[in-house]
Amino acid sequence: QSVLTQPPSVSGAPGQRVTISCTGSTSNLGAGNHVHWYQQLPGRAPKLLIYGSTNRPSGVPDRFSATEPGISASLTISGIQAEDEGNYYCQSYDSSLSSWVFGGGTKLTVL
Amino acid sequence: QVQLVQSGAEMRRPGASVRVSCRASGYTLSDYYLHWVRQAPGRGLEWMGWIDPKSGGANFPQKFQGSVTLTRDTSSDTAYLELGRLTPDDSAVYFCARGPSSVFSDSSVYFYYYGLDVWGQGTAVTVSS
Repeated sequence: QSVLTQPPSVSGAPGQRVTISCTGSTSNLGAGNHVHWYQQLPGRAPKLLIYGSTNRPSGVPDRFSATEPGISASLTISGIQAEDEGNYYCQSYDSSLSSWVFGGGTKLTVL
Repeated sequence: QVQLVQSGAEMRRPGASVRVSCRASGYTLSDYYLHWVRQAPGRGLEWMGWIDPKSGGANFPQKFQGSVTLTRDTSSDTAYLELGRLTPDDSAVYFCARGPSSVFSDSSVYFYYYGLDVWGQGTAVTVSS
C-alpha cells in the first residue's frame, strides 16, 4: 500500500463541495514536508493542481484549494463540475525513504 | 509553449531493456530538474527518480537502484530513461515531468516546495513474451 493514504473514491452532485484527504506519517507530512496535488483526467497525463501545500499554479481555478498539512492534508473542490471527474493524487517527500511518494489516488465521481 | 514530448510506445520481451526519450520544448532542459513517474494499468502513480540535466546527477528510490539509468543530451534538450531487466510488472505508461529550477540544490527547501508542473504525454511500455 501507499505511504500516503487517500480514500479510494469520493462523489458528489454538480455544485457540491468535496474534500479528499491525504494522510501521511512523521517522516513525510508530519515532518513538515510540503504536499502537492495532481488531477488526472481519463486517458490524460497528470496535471499539477496545488504545489507547496496550498498554492495554485496559474490557470487553476480558485475552486480548488488545499489545507496546510499536519500529518494529514486535504484538497477541497468547491462547486464540482462534470469536467472534474477523474483521479486525484497527493505527493510529498518521505525523509525516511529518501524518496518522493504518491498517495494511492482518489477517484472523483460527479453524480 | 512549454511542453515535454515523449517517444512512442514500445514492446519488449522479458529480460530486455527499453529506452524512453523526453524532449523539452519551449524551455531549456538544463534549467529544471526532470522527474520520471510511471503508472501501471489501472494503478496509481509511482515515482522513479530525477535527473539534474545541468550536472547529470540523478537520484532514485531504492527499488530502482541498478535497473534504472537516467541520462540527458543537453544539445538536443532531451532526457532519457533506460529500464533494464524488464519483467511483465514493468508494463506501464512512463511519464517525464518537470521539477523545480536547477538553481536549487536538492538540499534546498525550494527543491521540495515546487511540484511537477509540466508533464509529457506518456509512453506506453508493454513487456510480454
